[in-house]
Amino acid sequence: DVKVTQSSRYLVKRTGEKVFLECVQDMDHENMFWYRQDPGLGLRLIYFSYDVKMKEKGDIPEGYSVSREKKERFSLILESASTNQTSMYLCASRRDGNSPLHFGNGTRLTVT
Amino acid sequence: ELKVEQNPLFLSMQEGKNYTIYCNYSTTSDRLYWYRQDPGKSLESLFVLLSNGAVKQEGRLMASLDTKARLSTLHITAAVHDLSATYFCAAGTGANSKLTFGKGITLSVRP
Repeated sequence: DVKVTQSSRYLVKRTGEKVFLECVQDMDHENMFWYRQDPGLGLRLIYFSYDVKMKEKGDIPEGYSVSREKKERFSLILESASTNQTSMYLCASRRDGNSPLHFGNGTRLTVT
Repeated sequence: ELKVEQNPLFLSMQEGKNYTIYCNYSTTSDRLYWYRQDPGKSLESLFVLLSNGAVKQEGRLMASLDTKARLSTLHITAAVHDLSATYFCAAGTGANSKLTFGKGITLSVRP
């Protein structure tokens, strides 16, 4: 079974802090994604990566950056956390474009 | 820009009855995915539809894709309580494309 592991289940940070959300997958998947999920808004794509060191902006990249130095790890960085970034963050990976996404358990981030 | 719409956002279903929910998308897409999310849990893949006319079935759920109409349907046969969850569809174009999700439809099955 594919395992997508997000480093924290819950995280509380202060406004202005730099925040790192880590995601690791164990199935040698090419593609990795970061979404945020908010009530009434569904899942919105922040960034995705289809290969090591490659990254593409999603629909809401402002305020975020990503890093993919190794195939199995995709990190989401909040350069200066703000309260409107309080959300559930979901990482996902897939083998290729014909395969479904496998999601991690999510990180619930609260910025105070 | 690809937009994905699901409606209604909430559906109350009676046990034993059949229902269909819809997923519309705004521009050409050659692949459509359905996911299920239980409260407090992450998303679980249900179906991957990769071509026009594709139909997939699993238990009481059947999904289909009409790329000409830009529409996917998820048909529920004889609803049971275990099907209560939020169902998302997602569309994309091309092998390395982003996936755009709809807002999800929350299904509640009542006795």
